[in-house]
Amino acid sequence: AQTVTQSQPEMSVQEAETVTLSCTYDTSESDYYLFWYKQPPSRQMILVIRQEAYKQQNATENRFSVNFQKAAKSFSLKISDSQLGDAAMYFCAYTGYSTLTFGKGTMLLVSP
Amino acid sequence: DAGVTQSPTHLIKTRGQHVTLRCSPISGHKSVSWYQQVLGQGPQFIFQYYEKEERGRGNFPDRFSARQFPNYSSELNVNALLLGDSALYLCASSLLIDTGELFFGEGSRLTVL
Repeated sequence: AQTVTQSQPEMSVQEAETVTLSCTYDTSESDYYLFWYKQPPSRQMILVIRQEAYKQQNATENRFSVNFQKAAKSFSLKISDSQLGDAAMYFCAYTGYSTLTFGKGTMLLVSP
Repeated sequence: DAGVTQSPTHLIKTRGQHVTLRCSPISGHKSVSWYQQVLGQGPQFIFQYYEKEERGRGNFPDRFSARQFPNYSSELNVNALLLGDSALYLCASSLLIDTGELFFGEGSRLTVL
């Protein structure tokens, strides 16, 4: 069974600084998707960024980028120029063309 | 455009009762998935439906059931509620199946007393 591990229960960052959230996963498949989802307090979960495993190039979406290391099964999220609105729970997720498996999440705190 | 809508948003039940949660997907989305999110944990997959057929089921007891209607809306039913069923139940819809790019509703917060 696939597993997703987020080893940082909580991270803190100051506005305008950069923070990196870690994620590792375990799978025997060669083709799959990886995601970072954001869940603000009492608000719905939204997709931040996705990475297709067969693509070597790291995905980027404005201030959000990933460092995808397929051999190491690592998928970290970098948030640049952090903003107060980035404060949320971030979930790493995996799918091997079936259902989505989530990690336990990392709570990101952003201070002025 | 309307996003994924879920009802009710909050509800309180007692042990042994049953509950029905409802979900309307984004227009044009034919796949609906249900997830259970216990406080402090990541969402756990319960069911996936596509074109009104069950396409996947997570590791949940038979007390949990679901269905999808011709208009692609969906219901999640839980019978014989236990205290441990207290959670946020998330519905997500997607245009395609199996790609994991889900659009979530705000969830139904179930408290079992």
